[in-house]
Amino acid sequence: EVQLVESGGGLVQPGGSLRLTCAASGFTFSSYWMSWVRQAPGKGLEWVANIRQDGSEKFFVESVEGRFTISRENAKSSLYLQMNRLRVEDTAVYYCARDLGGSGDYGMDVWGQGITVTVSS
Amino acid sequence: DRQMTQSPSSLSASVGDRVIIKCRASESVSTYVNWYQQQPGKAPKLLINAASTLQTGVPSRFSGSGSGTDFSLTISSLQPEDFAIYYCQQSYSNPYSFGQGTKLDIK
Repeated sequence: EVQLVESGGGLVQPGGSLRLTCAASGFTFSSYWMSWVRQAPGKGLEWVANIRQDGSEKFFVESVEGRFTISRENAKSSLYLQMNRLRVEDTAVYYCARDLGGSGDYGMDVWGQGITVTVSS
Repeated sequence: DRQMTQSPSSLSASVGDRVIIKCRASESVSTYVNWYQQQPGKAPKLLINAASTLQTGVPSRFSGSGSGTDFSLTISSLQPEDFAIYYCQQSYSNPYSFGQGTKLDIK
């Protein structure tokens, strides 16, 4: 079964750090671009970042540029999101997702269940 | 960065109705538009990619069209399970942005 499972969420104070992990199974992880998407409480979807199959290209939404890092370990079929200098407005459910297409530009067809990150004092 | 604007933001309809949700890009995105359905408390589900390609297992009452800056998602005959929030997304250029969503509820 093709599956993505996020972990590492929780409550953190503003200015703190958190590392999310996405464990992939049931497909050849190293063949796909991967993304992180978030959804603040009661709000819409916001694309956060993506990473090329070999990790050589990474893109971020402007609001997290310089604070968040995306990485992957293909040998472990794992995707990561390192979140530093967290702000209250980063509070959201974070989803990892698999990107379709060799360049990752045909949508996200597999999603994790989501993990909650709460930034609050 | 390209912005995606959906209309309407909310829509009330009845079972059996035909509904159209529109999405406009701030600049051309060719046909790199994807449509997702999200049920409450669930992860989004990819319905259509490349503007008009229906994903495996998605009912044929869903269809997509458009190119350049104007796109639409059509549900030909609403079923009870279709009441949800729908999002368009452009994957033409990073950052890949979503529309603000269209909430479809029962009239």
